[in-house]
Amino acid sequence: AQKVTQAQTEISVVEKEDVTLDCVYETRDTTYYLFWYKQPPSGELVFLIRRNSFDEQNEISGRYSWNFQKSTSSFNFTITASQVVDSAVYFCALSEVRDDKIIFGKGTRLHILP
Amino acid sequence: ETGVTQTPRHLVMGMTNKKSLKCEQHLGHNAMYWYKQSAKKPLELMFVYNFKEQTENNSVPSRFSPECPNSSHLFLHLHTLQPEDSALYLCASSIGGKTDTQYFGPGTRLTVL
Repeated sequence: AQKVTQAQTEISVVEKEDVTLDCVYETRDTTYYLFWYKQPPSGELVFLIRRNSFDEQNEISGRYSWNFQKSTSSFNFTITASQVVDSAVYFCALSEVRDDKIIFGKGTRLHILP
Repeated sequence: ETGVTQTPRHLVMGMTNKKSLKCEQHLGHNAMYWYKQSAKKPLELMFVYNFKEQTENNSVPSRFSPECPNSSHLFLHLHTLQPEDSALYLCASSIGGKTDTQYFGPGTRLTVL
């Protein structure tokens, strides 16, 4: 069954600390895509990254990095040197090719304290 | 305008009212989506349109009626809603299907009294 688990409901860290948001998924499909989105208080989901199941290379974009490990079915997101503007809800999502479905995790609310 | 826009941003309506939410995408995409986001619940995909044709309806009550006159515009017509329908309604678009990146609008915050 298709499932996305973001076990951390809420995280608070002090500004400039590093923080990792966990995402664990379940799928029967061999071809799938994983996404991360950021939802600031304004409400709009902002796209951060899309990764397909055949590309396990880790990715870094500025202070953001993603660690994709198929062996543990995880796609974790790390923010380095966090800033107050990083405060938001972050969603992980899984899209399967075969079943043509997309499912979002419940999100992790991140508070960066000044 | 760029990206995906939604109007209105906020809407308060009574249970007997009829209202419509509008979504417009300026990205040249072929697929459009309606999502419902309630407090403490995951995002729920409601409807999917590809090339103006509805391809998915996830058991949404008939009091929600979508309309897609062209690939750039998507509407959600609302009538006789219930208080539990209060939520943030998000529109998104993508080039192709659900494995492509979806770009979201800012949402309409709906309150049903």
